[in-house]
Amino acid sequence: QSVLTQPPSASGTPGQRVTISCSGSSSNIGSNYVYWYQQLPVTAPKLLIYTNDQRPSGVPDRFSGSKSGTSASLAISGLRSEDEASYYCAAWDDSLSGWVFGGGTKLTVL
Amino acid sequence: QVQLQESGPGLVKPWGTLSLTCAVSGGPISSNHWWSWVRQSPGKGLEWIGEIYHSGSTNYNPSLKSRVTISVDKSKNQFSLKLTSVTAADTAIYYCVRIVVLPAEVLSGMDVWGQGTTVTVSS
Repeated sequence: QSVLTQPPSASGTPGQRVTISCSGSSSNIGSNYVYWYQQLPVTAPKLLIYTNDQRPSGVPDRFSGSKSGTSASLAISGLRSEDEASYYCAAWDDSLSGWVFGGGTKLTVL
Repeated sequence: QVQLQESGPGLVKPWGTLSLTCAVSGGPISSNHWWSWVRQSPGKGLEWIGEIYHSGSTNYNPSLKSRVTISVDKSKNQFSLKLTSVTAADTAIYYCVRIVVLPAEVLSGMDVWGQGTTVTVSS
């Protein structure tokens, strides 16, 4: 059981916009930044969004993050086949004094 | 361009000790970074194990804290993970990861990952 809650799956067709939610609590998302990671099949995760809504260099602006209260969202616009991957949210948890992850959302591009 | 490379035995016996090392190249380990370990059990999600700063300060996942030790060797520019009393539940891909401390103590997130090393616990 993950501390952060994500839907296990999501899907969309090429060109569509999809959003992935991440729900937490006051000790993690409610009081700290949210980070998003993309994991393509059989590869290490890659940082996609940091500090709620910032994109590292090289990440397309099709990817965007937002946070409100104890929840966060990752939006992917102009969906492409290469976006098919698992997406994880993460945050520091003050109660646990450590990083917590969501269970991951597997995105399928139909 | 900082790169991380994990190394260590791919097979550990039950109740033995898992020992992994992460070699840091392309930059000094004594930078304003946290160095972390994350694992992923087969077909499962990501689990944070713990982290260390070059000063030796550590943070551990409470669920693993009694079995985990993370250390740093600045002379070799590497950091290590030891996990004791392992069981089949510890079978996973283990990643070493960098977290940069940005201005105002803001964390960059896990921005550099090793390729991961598979550790199987089996007799």
